[in-house]
Amino acid sequence: QKEVEQNSGPLSVPEGAIASLNCTYSDRGSQSFFWYRQYSGKSPELIMSIYSNGDKEDGRFTAQLNKASQYVSLLIRDSQPSDSATYLCAVTGNSNTGNQFYFGTGTSLTVIP
Amino acid sequence: DTEVTQTPKHLVMGMTNKKSLKCEQHMGHRAMYWYKQKAKKPPELMFVYSYEKLSINESVPSRFSPECPNSSLLNLHLHALQPEDSALYLCASSQVENTEAFFGQGTRLTVV
Repeated sequence: QKEVEQNSGPLSVPEGAIASLNCTYSDRGSQSFFWYRQYSGKSPELIMSIYSNGDKEDGRFTAQLNKASQYVSLLIRDSQPSDSATYLCAVTGNSNTGNQFYFGTGTSLTVIP
Repeated sequence: DTEVTQTPKHLVMGMTNKKSLKCEQHMGHRAMYWYKQKAKKPPELMFVYSYEKLSINESVPSRFSPECPNSSLLNLHLHALQPEDSALYLCASSQVENTEAFFGQGTRLTVV
């Protein structure tokens, strides 16, 4: 298994604040990076994908990728109570291994009204 | 449409039973995955099929047997499971390798 690490949390932020979630990965050849949200008892739901260095914004969500540092993050602006969930970072394999799709340990986020 | 359908939603089986989990997608995806997820843990990769061929088997015990009859279907055959195999079993698919994967709602399996 490839190593994908996240701060397990729990992370608590007040409503309206910015939540910052971080993920590091061990395989320098990893090509694709994803953030999933998982509510308790439900399956993971794709929030963001990012494939190249830099920032990618989608509504209140911004994903940031730094391949040199092997680091990917997710910022949630104007956090809402409905954002309370576990956030999973996922990383795919390199061009040789392909099709490997590994998850980090997950960060539990609670947004306090 | 990003729908992956898994059946059944819940399954209770004895340790001597044989059962199958089913997964179906009609998005034209050519990679399909089985994951196992225990409570408060991340999904753990079990098998990957790429173009209907098994490409990854993450050292899963032989009591779990995957099958990909065609590009839309993925099965997981279960036999002689142990209580510790009780978990949420998730199926996912992606267009090709290294692209966005979409998950089914999962099968909650209890082994008694």
